[in-house]
Amino acid sequence: DAKTTQPPSMDCAEGRAANLPCNHSTISGNEYVYWYRQIHSQGPQYIIHGLKNNETNEMASLIITEDRKSSTLILPHATLRDTAVYYCIVRASHGDYKLSFGAGTTVTVRA
Amino acid sequence: DTEVTQTPKHLVMGMTNKKSLKCEQHMGHRAMYWYKQKAKKPPELMFVYSYEKLSINESVPSRFSPECPNSSLLNLHLHALQPEDSALYLCASSLFPLAGGYGELFFGEGSRLTVL
Repeated sequence: DAKTTQPPSMDCAEGRAANLPCNHSTISGNEYVYWYRQIHSQGPQYIIHGLKNNETNEMASLIITEDRKSSTLILPHATLRDTAVYYCIVRASHGDYKLSFGAGTTVTVRA
Repeated sequence: DTEVTQTPKHLVMGMTNKKSLKCEQHMGHRAMYWYKQKAKKPPELMFVYSYEKLSINESVPSRFSPECPNSSLLNLHLHALQPEDSALYLCASSLFPLAGGYGELFFGEGSRLTVL
């Protein structure tokens, strides 16, 4: 699976959009981009995933660049409860059936 | 029921003890996972069970012994652990084994283990 690079930390203001970048420059054609988050003292939570097209669900939007070398997770209206570690994960559609976490970005939403 | 339930939430054990962590889900999921998470680090995969068969063992020491008695239950048996094994142990499940574009894991809140 391709490696991902995320900033170690970022702050955002409550009520504003939070844009979380992820670099995956070695991604290959059959690899999906997944985002999970882990709120303190809880297990990780699935947010969204995509292959090529932008995706949106009730939690977030995922924007993948045309060359697929990077992506951005957008939390449209950040709340204090969105404070968490956010993990960007790239996983191949073929091969072993596992999901491996990288270091992630610690996002702090401030009032 | 959309939960993965882990018990106990906290466990303290000595290096000579034998204990078990339990994980249960009633969502009809056919794949279950154990992860280990040290403080301020990402979760690390330990084991994957697919259709109640062990499909992945990430070279975990034999003092950790997984067991999947049925499709709803996953155990992690612990014996002769070391203090460095102290960590949060997370269980997860997925509807199917991760394949294709399917990669949604449902996690429990974890069992926090302290080895003295």
